[in-house]
Amino acid sequence: EDQVTQSPEALRLQEGESSSLNCSYTVSGLRGLFWYRQDPGKGPEFLFTLYSAGEEKEKERLKATLTKKESFLHITAPKPEDSATYLCAVRGFQGGSEKLVFGKGTKLTVNP
Amino acid sequence: DTEVTQTPKHLVMGMTNKKSLKCEQHMGHRAMYWYKQKAKKPPELMFVYSYEKLSINESVPSRFSPECPNSSLLNLHLHALQPEDSALYLCASSPGLLGAKNIQYFGAGTRLSVL
Repeated sequence: EDQVTQSPEALRLQEGESSSLNCSYTVSGLRGLFWYRQDPGKGPEFLFTLYSAGEEKEKERLKATLTKKESFLHITAPKPEDSATYLCAVRGFQGGSEKLVFGKGTKLTVNP
Repeated sequence: DTEVTQTPKHLVMGMTNKKSLKCEQHMGHRAMYWYKQKAKKPPELMFVYSYEKLSINESVPSRFSPECPNSSLLNLHLHALQPEDSALYLCASSPGLLGAKNIQYFGAGTRLSVL
C-alpha cells in the first residue's frame, strides 16, 4: 500500500529563517511526487511535480528535491505570507489505476 | 488558466434534505475528481470520472451520488447525510487519468455542515 509521511507536523519560523520540510514515501511504481500549498478553508494549490530521483524545481523562495525515498521542500528566507499547510502527495500505479495519496501535511507558520 | 470553480462555497443542510454540489472547469480536462477533507486531515479520494464515465468509486456510501453531465461539469448529489459527513468537499481536474504529467488542479471547495 502506498504511504506518505510528512515531518514535522508543524513548524514555526521567524521571517528570514530558512528551513526544510520532509516527505518520505513508499509507492508501487512512482508516477510522480507532488507538492501543494493549502490555506485554511481553501483547496490545495499546485506547487511542484517531480518525476525522478535527483530532480529539483524552484519557485520564488521554494525549492523541491527528490530522492528514491523522500522529497524535501526547502524554504529560503520565508515571509509571513508563506504561512500555510504544505501537502505532499505521490501518484502510484496500483490495481490498474493511478491515485494520489496525500500525506497529513506540515503546517508552517512564519512570524514577522 | 488553471481554474476549477465550485459552488456553493458554503452549505448547511439537515439530515433529510437533498442538495447538490457543483464543479466546473474549462481547461479541456477529461478527468475530474471528488475528494472529502476533514479538519486537519489530508484529502481523501471519493470518485474519479474519466471521459464522463465513472472510473473509480472508493466505496463511498450511496447517500453520495456523483454525476458528470458533460466534460466540463461534475455534480455531487447529497441525500440523507449524517452529521459526520460535515467536511470540505473538493473537486479537482486533470488533463487525463494516467501518466505522471496529469497534474490535478483543485477548486476552493464547498464547506458542508450537516445538522
